[in-house]
Amino acid sequence: NAGVTQTPKFRVLKTGQSMTLLCAQDMNHEYMYWYRQDPGMGLRLIHYSVGEGTTAKGEVPDGYNVSRLKKQNFLLGLESAAPSQTSVYFCASNRPGNTIYFGEGSWLTVV
Amino acid sequence: RKEVEQDPGPFNVPEGATVAFNCTYSNSASQSFFWYRQDCRKEPKLLMSVYSSGNEDGRFTAQLNRASQYISLLIRDSKLSDSATYLCVVRKQEYGNKLVFGAGTILRVKS
Repeated sequence: NAGVTQTPKFRVLKTGQSMTLLCAQDMNHEYMYWYRQDPGMGLRLIHYSVGEGTTAKGEVPDGYNVSRLKKQNFLLGLESAAPSQTSVYFCASNRPGNTIYFGEGSWLTVV
Repeated sequence: RKEVEQDPGPFNVPEGATVAFNCTYSNSASQSFFWYRQDCRKEPKLLMSVYSSGNEDGRFTAQLNRASQYISLLIRDSKLSDSATYLCVVRKQEYGNKLVFGAGTILRVKS
């Protein structure tokens, strides 16, 4: 049982490059989320989705885009990476009102 | 002011000690409360939910005071394996059950 899987786990980008983080869950969860975690800041919600084909902005959405074309996948895109986007990114999923499960994280460095 | 505030620590305690963590939240609309544990370079995992009546899970006791908007976690008989960051988390019935995370309190248990 894989749970929530994120790819890639590590990536180094140059400023201005683009990339996509993929999150896949095999638990048939309706809700999916992308968080970023920075030292001293706690996890902050970037974007979230309450179902296939729907997305919404969280606390810190600027510089990111998302898509949820299939229920099991939630993609996070950086169109033009900036050093301020150096962070650890966590994907999570759950059924409404139930425990949230996190992926193992993706470490992104923008130089 | 952060929506969820915690003392960052670190708390350095010997094995067998009792240690208490505190957390305050600013949004009275917060509906659910949790403690998550996060090991170094790992994803957060649910430790326990927090109920107004107080609840216990083995060596761990959680308390909630809605009037004071205050949450606590007590760990008795600390083990080396308890060393981790403890995240105070509140959930609001918006943003698809959005979780708001504190920045975490670091616990180091030493032999």
